[in-house]
Amino acid sequence: QLQLQESGPGQVKPSETLSLTCTVSGDSISSYSHYWGWIRQPPGKGLEWIGNIYYSGSTFYNPSLNSRVTMSVDTSKNQFSLRLSSVTAADTAAYYCARHLYNWNLPSHFDPWGQGILVTVSS
Amino acid sequence: FMLTQPHSVSESPGNTVIISCTRSSGSIASSYVQWYQQRPGSSPTTVIYEDKQRPSGVPERFSGSIDSSSNSASLTISGLKAEDEADYYCQSYHRNNHVFGGGTKVTVL
Repeated sequence: QLQLQESGPGQVKPSETLSLTCTVSGDSISSYSHYWGWIRQPPGKGLEWIGNIYYSGSTFYNPSLNSRVTMSVDTSKNQFSLRLSSVTAADTAAYYCARHLYNWNLPSHFDPWGQGILVTVSS
Repeated sequence: FMLTQPHSVSESPGNTVIISCTRSSGSIASSYVQWYQQRPGSSPTTVIYEDKQRPSGVPERFSGSIDSSSNSASLTISGLKAEDEADYYCQSYHRNNHVFGGGTKVTVL
């Protein structure tokens, strides 16, 4: 059974870089038909897609975050990671990682999701 | 583009709720629409994917549809149960940009 688990600091100072890792178990991150994504949710608010990465390292990001986001993948550890630079209080959110399924090269749904990790931006 | 959902809907047990998701630009039919359920304190789970497909384990009470005339997608929950009380999000994409709707809170009266 595929499971994803986010890990990283629960608090980051303003202007610093948020770094999170998602560990995948139960399936290979090198699966050719899947992407891997990050989604965030500010407290009491809705979901926002951050970006996707393929096992080859190919990425695409939310245009509104593109200048601050970097995603990477480590196939040897079955992990992928998120870095968000120059954070402010507006980046305080629960961060989820998820598998993004594709069907005949068309994006389908995000499933499953990790349990999420709350990251607070505060000095 | 944006996906617009009603902020909240309420209905009594046994009745039907319909949640709309209107696409601001581009055709709703041009990209698959997904629907996620998020209960308080939990991660989202898929209830409908690829416009109208239902994952295994999701009750038949959940159904999805697309209406090109209104450029919107809908999630219908029939025979409403207390356990359906949750936030529901639609999601779609344009090229490599994935967008979520603002979410709809379903309250079972």
